[in-house]
Amino acid sequence: GAGVSQSPSNKVTEKGKDVELRCDPISGHTALYWYRQRLGQGLEFLIYFQGNSAPDKSGLPSDRFSAERTGESVSTLTIQRTQQEDSAVYLCASSFLTRGVDTQYFGPGTRLTVL
Amino acid sequence: AQKVTQAQTEISVVEKEDVTLDCVYETRDTTYYLFWYKQPPSGELVFLIRRNSFDEQNEISGRYSWNFQKSTSSFNFTITASQVVDSAVYFCALSEDGSARQLTFGSGTQLTVLP
Repeated sequence: GAGVSQSPSNKVTEKGKDVELRCDPISGHTALYWYRQRLGQGLEFLIYFQGNSAPDKSGLPSDRFSAERTGESVSTLTIQRTQQEDSAVYLCASSFLTRGVDTQYFGPGTRLTVL
Repeated sequence: AQKVTQAQTEISVVEKEDVTLDCVYETRDTTYYLFWYKQPPSGELVFLIRRNSFDEQNEISGRYSWNFQKSTSSFNFTITASQVVDSAVYFCALSEDGSARQLTFGSGTQLTVLP
């Protein structure tokens, strides 16, 4: 496909379970971002990958959150021992730099509900 | 610390009306970048514009226009002759380094355009 894809689109889980969210960026995009969007709020930055550089994990809210990316391809965001406050839409975006402008393309998000 | 305020939580207009979405920001940096994104009901964020703090020229793109006023720390967005398809949540965001990394988002304005 031409855009960023994310799976699953919806995930309902029980408190304490681990979940894994997947993001397929646009081919050729070197940068990949994960954001969290709570209901009625703006986006919170979680983590940023750029090529083979060490990821910027400064937005991860706790050590229950981790993410990996293999090269410039798929990324997975893992939340361990989920809590109810983790319920949110998790958005992934990929981007490329053109003349110094970082143009992001967002996926449709994964809606996570923790019961 | 950076902060973005979108005081209008919800706006409703009738099709063909003009509408302005307000955005006020706070930053200690002299160099910064401002963004607008659109989030339609499908959930995917769509990048609309990126503007750096040195460029105060207003920008027009079709029915969209942006008014950057450094003196009042505002970056307002106007949609002329609104259409039903403009219905979405619109986010204003601020970045210190111009990349989409660690954007500070406002809480969003829900725009509903009625037929």
